[in-house]
Amino acid sequence: AQSVTQLGSHVSVSEGALVLLRCNYSSSVPPYLFWYVQYPNQGLQLLLKYTSAATLVKGINGFEAEFKKSETSFHLTKPSAHMSDAAEYFCAVSDVEDMRFGAGTRLTVKP
Amino acid sequence: GAVVSQHPSWVICKSGTSVKIECRSLDFQATTMFWYRQFPKQSLMLMATSNEGSKATYEQGVEKDKFLINHASLTLSTLTVTSAHPEDSSFYICSARDPGGPGNTIYFGEGSWLTVV
Repeated sequence: AQSVTQLGSHVSVSEGALVLLRCNYSSSVPPYLFWYVQYPNQGLQLLLKYTSAATLVKGINGFEAEFKKSETSFHLTKPSAHMSDAAEYFCAVSDVEDMRFGAGTRLTVKP
Repeated sequence: GAVVSQHPSWVICKSGTSVKIECRSLDFQATTMFWYRQFPKQSLMLMATSNEGSKATYEQGVEKDKFLINHASLTLSTLTVTSAHPEDSSFYICSARDPGGPGNTIYFGEGSWLTVV
C-alpha cells in the first residue's frame, strides 16, 4: 500500500523567506507524486507533479519539488514566500490504483 | 477551465433524507473516479474508487450502504449519501483519471459542501 507522510502540520515563515514543506512517500511501485494547495473553503489546486521524467519539477506560483528516490522524499520549496502563499498544502502519491494524501501542512506567512 | 465538474457545490438537507452529488468529466472519458471526504482542518480521506461499469471499491471503514456510488457512464459518477445525519456533514471531493493524459493525469472537482441539519 502506498502512503505519504508530511512532516510538520504547521510551518510559519516570514515574507521573503524560503519555504520548505516536507513530504516522504512509501510505494511499492514507482510513484507519481503531487503537491496540491487548498485555500480556505475551496477545492484543490495542483501545484506540480512528478511523473518519472525530470526529478526536479517546477510548478505554478514559483514552487518546485525534487524527487529523491534514495530518500523517498518529494519536498516542496519556494525561494521567497509571499503573503498569498498562506494556505494548506497536501502531498499525494498515486499509482494505477488510487491516490492517497498526506495529512497536510498549513503554511503561515508573516509580514 | 474545469475538466471535472461537481454538482452541487453546496447542499443543505434534513436529517434522514438522501442527497446525491454528481461528478462529471467534461473533456475526457474517465474509466476511474475517486471520492474523497474532508473534515474541517483535516486531510482528504479516500472513500472509494469507482470504475465504470463495475461496483465501487470502498475503503475500510466506509459504509457502502450509506455512501452509494454509481459510475454508470464514462463521464459520470454519483455519490448518494443515504439517510444523512449531521455527522455526515463534510466536504466531498471527486477526482477522475484521464487515461489518455500523460503520466497518470488526475483531475479534481471543485468539491461539494454537505450540511445536514
